[in-house]
Amino acid sequence: AQTVTQSQPEMSVQEAETVTLSCTYDTSESDYYLFWYKQPPSRQMILVIRQEAYKQQNATENRFSVNFQKAAKSFSLKISDSQLGDAAMYFCAYRIGGGATNKLIFGTGTLLAVQP
Amino acid sequence: GAGVSQSPSNKVTEKGKDVELRCDPISGHTALYWYRQSLGQGLEFLIYFQGNSAPDKSGLPSDRFSAERTGGSVSTLTIQRTQQEDSAVYLCASSLWALDSNQPQHFGDGTRLSIL
Repeated sequence: AQTVTQSQPEMSVQEAETVTLSCTYDTSESDYYLFWYKQPPSRQMILVIRQEAYKQQNATENRFSVNFQKAAKSFSLKISDSQLGDAAMYFCAYRIGGGATNKLIFGTGTLLAVQP
Repeated sequence: GAGVSQSPSNKVTEKGKDVELRCDPISGHTALYWYRQSLGQGLEFLIYFQGNSAPDKSGLPSDRFSAERTGGSVSTLTIQRTQQEDSAVYLCASSLWALDSNQPQHFGDGTRLSIL
């Protein structure tokens, strides 16, 4: 069974600094997708970034980038130039490819605080 | 509408009562997903629809839980004879086409269900 582990329940970063959130996963599949979602207090899950497992290049979206280590089954999120609005719960998620099943499997989340 | 809409935003009910939660997906999205988020936990998959069919309902925790989707649009999640452990935030998501794993899931704001 696929599992997603986020070992950091809480993290803190100073405004304008860089922070890295960790995520590891377990799967025997070769075709899959990985995601980072942000959940502010409003509860809405917002897609931050996604990575296709077949792509070796790490995904980047503005201040957000990932370090995807397929062999190690690691998928960390780096937030550069942290802003107060980045404070939220961050969830790492996995989805098998090929359309066999389309559910997202989530980690338990990392609560990120941004200090002014 | 512009985003996934869920109602009610909050629901408080007594143990043993039935509740209905509603999800209105993004217009044109054929796939719809239900997740449950218990306090301090990640999201747990419940069921997904492609059109009006539910190819994967493996996450429904008991036969007290059911969901339907009509007209390929609005979905309702029904919980019968509610128990206190049903208290959680119920999140709905939609995507353009479930069989395309590259399509991201867009989430609503959720319904916070509290069972007294």
